[in-house]
Amino acid sequence: RKEVEQDPGPFNVPEGATVAFNCTYSNSASQSFFWYRQDCRKEPKLLMSVYSSGNEDGRFTAQLNRASQYISLLIRDSKLSDSATYLCVVNIFRGYSTLTFGKGTMLLVSP
Amino acid sequence: DVKVTQSSRYLVKRTGEKVFLECVQDMDHENMFWYRQDPGLGLRLIYFSYDVKMKEKGDIPEGYSVSREKKERFSLILESASTNQTSMYLCASSIGGSRDTQYFGPGTRLTVL
Repeated sequence: RKEVEQDPGPFNVPEGATVAFNCTYSNSASQSFFWYRQDCRKEPKLLMSVYSSGNEDGRFTAQLNRASQYISLLIRDSKLSDSATYLCVVNIFRGYSTLTFGKGTMLLVSP
Repeated sequence: DVKVTQSSRYLVKRTGEKVFLECVQDMDHENMFWYRQDPGLGLRLIYFSYDVKMKEKGDIPEGYSVSREKKERFSLILESASTNQTSMYLCASSIGGSRDTQYFGPGTRLTVL
């Protein structure tokens, strides 16, 4: 089983749609969780951290279910500018911090 | 704002050449990382460093080495470039800790002919 698995995509949605990304991770020792966004030919950038209680940042909501080892990202009212690849990222702290990245899910928002 | 810079955006080298990729961060971060990113394979960790002169192998260290002589600078070295090392190379830095996040440089697209 891959360490971090995501829907392969791409997701094609119209403007204004709600879209959900799912992610599962295999290592139960994972300690922190993130969603990164990567625009075409650009570097990944932190979108938001994911907490057990769930967290929201404007149109974006992230959820974590530790029991199921599952992370989600919900985008409401999609904008054209949301078109990007969304990377699910997990941190396993072993005295030093390294991140394991999912392969990403591409989102294409069309007018 | 964290700033991570990489020496080149695009680089073309020939098979067998020695290649140096430089990365500099300006936030006094302890940790620095080198990844490569390939279509269908995602981001893969090559090497990382959690202190000056310290280095640790990542998932795919073969064919690469690194150097960290100063805290702000982390170099990736391809001793003898090969065509299968054609890729996007991304450097990142982080402060460390269990809730650590990483900040990436703009990447270097390396083509080995």
